[in-house]
Amino acid sequence: GESVGLHLPTLSVQEGDNSIINCAYSNSASDYFIWYKQESGKGPQFIIDIRSNMDKRQGQRVTVLLNKTVKHLSLQIAATQPGDSAVYFCAETKGGGADGLTFGKGTHLIIQP
Amino acid sequence: EAQVTQNPRYLITVTGKKLTVTCSQNMNHEYMSWYRQDPGLGLRQIYYSMNVEVTDKGDVPEGYKVSRKEKRNFPLILESPSPNQTSLYFCASSQGLALDEQFFGPGTRLTVL
Repeated sequence: GESVGLHLPTLSVQEGDNSIINCAYSNSASDYFIWYKQESGKGPQFIIDIRSNMDKRQGQRVTVLLNKTVKHLSLQIAATQPGDSAVYFCAETKGGGADGLTFGKGTHLIIQP
Repeated sequence: EAQVTQNPRYLITVTGKKLTVTCSQNMNHEYMSWYRQDPGLGLRQIYYSMNVEVTDKGDVPEGYKVSRKEKRNFPLILESPSPNQTSLYFCASSQGLALDEQFFGPGTRLTVL
């Protein structure tokens, strides 16, 4: 079946730098995308979402970009902090979530002091 | 405190011995879902439920059953567990399809010998 995937399994950045985590999706019918953060030993936690009628959405220190032409999603984290260390997943769905969520494999973000 | 609880948190069992992992939420959420998380595969949806008595298969439903007799509970049943069902399981809930407010439980680590 179609799936959502990530380009890099691990990303290491210096504290204070900006991070960009990428995600490629294959289902062109997907209309809703979510980024989750999962800290060690915990369940995923919602970070930010975007609908397919948008190209960009900003939150607190995070920005999600959606490029429907190439089916690419990215999460930008500004001024990374030690607490940002986690695994980040993108997820996609269609029909507003009625068909369930499909997750990518995850990128482990490591913040170097 | 608003939360999703899962029991047990850890379980080691043997092949073929029926087991149930319970999931309960105290937020009056309509939507509940089960995921399994495996290294290199990310989270995969097993089953989800839009409301009481309504359940649907996710991406990997084989070998699992669910029920939704009450709004707050969504148990995951393994009638005859096999070693390939060794995994980390997460239950999640949200108000309708408001996936931006999906709460995840703490996870259940299951080992099938």
